[in-house]
Amino acid sequence: AQSVTQLGSHVSVSEGALVLLRCNYSSSVPPYLFWYVQYPNQGLQLLLKYTTGATLVKGINGFEAEFKKSETSFHLTKPSAHMSDAAEYFCAVSAPGLYGNKLVFGAGTILRVKS
Amino acid sequence: DADVTQTPRNRITKTGKRIMLECSQTKGHDRMYWYRQDPGLGLRLIYYSFDVKDINKGEISDGYSVSRQAQAKFSLSLESAIPNQTALYFCATDPGQGSGELFFGEGSRLTVL
Repeated sequence: AQSVTQLGSHVSVSEGALVLLRCNYSSSVPPYLFWYVQYPNQGLQLLLKYTTGATLVKGINGFEAEFKKSETSFHLTKPSAHMSDAAEYFCAVSAPGLYGNKLVFGAGTILRVKS
Repeated sequence: DADVTQTPRNRITKTGKRIMLECSQTKGHDRMYWYRQDPGLGLRLIYYSFDVKDINKGEISDGYSVSRQAQAKFSLSLESAIPNQTALYFCATDPGQGSGELFFGEGSRLTVL
């Protein structure tokens, strides 16, 4: 079975500071990993995903994440926070090759950006 | 127009009432999902469907039922709503082929009094 743990339900950073949102996963097979973002009153949209190949993946709006198998982690980073980054972020895992290949989501991290 | 459309966007109802949330999509995807979102719990899967003849329970299906009327339509029903079903409900589609990427509607906020 797959599971995701996001460390920190709320993260607060100053505008221009580094953003680091932490995600650890558990999977019985080599996983696919995702970060989704939810802006207020909207549905979720994909930020980035890791399937196979390069372990550092780049997404939209300057975000990137690195798949570290030895640490079972997929942390999300952005070098310089912008006010528009304030949102809730969800890490998710799926198990390719298993029937269903459904996404399992973490509990979410709310990012606050201070001016 | 949105690719995944949910109706209604907001609904307030009373305990014991039957409620239907509807989802339609123009993406042409076979796979569709219903999730509920609760603060601090993330998204939890209620039901999913891989084609019109395929319906599967997710991790929290008790108290819910679904209907896949066509490839483009997937409805979620609460036969007798209770207050702990107050939540934000999302429909999502998936192109399949192992991508794992979901496309979400804007959500339906349900309040059960």
